Amino acid sequence: DVKVTQSSRYLVKRTGEKVFLECVQDMDHENMFWYRQDPGLGLRLIYFSYDVKMKEKGDIPEGYSVSREKKERFSLILESASTNQTSMYLCASMGHHNYGYTFGSGTRLTVV
Amino acid sequence: QQQVKQSPQSLIVQKGGISIINCAYENTAFDYFPWYQQFPGKGPALLIAIRPDVSEKKEGRFTISFNKSAKQFSLHIMDSQPGDSATYFCAASSYNNNDMRFGAGTRLTVKP
Repeated sequence: DVKVTQSSRYLVKRTGEKVFLECVQDMDHENMFWYRQDPGLGLRLIYFSYDVKMKEKGDIPEGYSVSREKKERFSLILESASTNQTSMYLCASMGHHNYGYTFGSGTRLTVV
Repeated sequence: QQQVKQSPQSLIVQKGGISIINCAYENTAFDYFPWYQQFPGKGPALLIAIRPDVSEKKEGRFTISFNKSAKQFSLHIMDSQPGDSATYFCAASSYNNNDMRFGAGTRLTVKP
């Protein structure tokens, strides 16, 4: 069964901390994505990557950065966590022009 | 600016009834329209998808109706069951862009 694995289900971090969210896929997919999910706002795209070392900004990249050093791994970095970054973070992957996304189970991040 | 608008935000249906969720899009370049189902604590999972060359697609109790001229599509769940209680997201993407745009989500509750 194909999988997208997010390293943590729940995280609690302090304001100002640097936070790393990790995502690994085992489907050899070219494309990987980071979304945040908030009630009433749906899924909003933060960053995506269509190849190793490539990245593109999504709709809400401010306060975030990403890293893709290997094809199977896509990391989301909060350089200095703030309370308004408290959210559910979802990672997804997709094969080249395959259209369908496979999502991970999500990381619920709370910044206090 | 939300490129995919979804309604209603929440929906309560009796067991055996029909659940209908509507979405509208703006970008005429979109050519793939999936619906995702998300249970609490899980990531969204692809439920059913349609391309604009057909007006309807049916898989079991789930049907997508698509109106290209109106730029609208909808999900119908026939004979709704308590196990269908989840959050449903419509989405849209295009062949030339790998990122997908999501609606805000509909929380469906099917009462026994």
